[in-house]
Amino acid sequence: DGGITQSPKYLFRKEGQNVTLSCEQNLNHDAMYWYRQDPGQGLRLIYYSQIVNDFQKGDIAEGYSVSREKKESFPLTVTSAQKNPTAFYLCASTQSTVAYGYTFGSGTRLTVV
Amino acid sequence: DAKTTQPPSMDCAEGRAANLPCNHSTISGNEYVYWYRQIHSQGPQYIIHGLKNNETNEMASLIITEDRKSSTLILPHATLRDTAVYYCIVLRDNAGNMLTFGGGTRLMVKP
Repeated sequence: DGGITQSPKYLFRKEGQNVTLSCEQNLNHDAMYWYRQDPGQGLRLIYYSQIVNDFQKGDIAEGYSVSREKKESFPLTVTSAQKNPTAFYLCASTQSTVAYGYTFGSGTRLTVV
Repeated sequence: DAKTTQPPSMDCAEGRAANLPCNHSTISGNEYVYWYRQIHSQGPQYIIHGLKNNETNEMASLIITEDRKSSTLILPHATLRDTAVYYCIVLRDNAGNMLTFGGGTRLMVKP
């Protein structure tokens, strides 16, 4: 079955360490997105990529980095520059230009210890 | 894109209809109303969308007022598995648009 796989589901990081969250899709979607969600809040856009080897900053890109070397993969690195990284991270992809075309992964919960 | 306003939380009895309101008074003529929901610790799931006419699918019905300034998502027979946060999103239907999520409505279906 086609879908988006995010790994790991839970991740613990020590302060000052970089960590990379994986997002893989086999839907042949062109566009991929990373969102952050804090408890009781909506989703906020971190980065997005509409084509391989190109990506754009979202609303809260500071302290994060991404790459898009393959169509299927859009990893997110949470750097030590991100002051409050503990959150739920969601990856999404879409082929179409309409909002019902979005497919979301099941998320990665990152905790800084 | 137009802003939306939703109540932060609602309760519904299992088996009854859940009616979730959304205000979007600044909606433009080319903007659609979309509904997504997010079950705890999962990614959001598309439910339904509409432009002017009422819409129905296997999950829900969407009622849009004639002036398009508000809408209501109806879950006809709510079950415990419908407990989730429901997001109402207004978006132009063309290239380059990205979903943005507000706080949504936290629906609690009770036995």
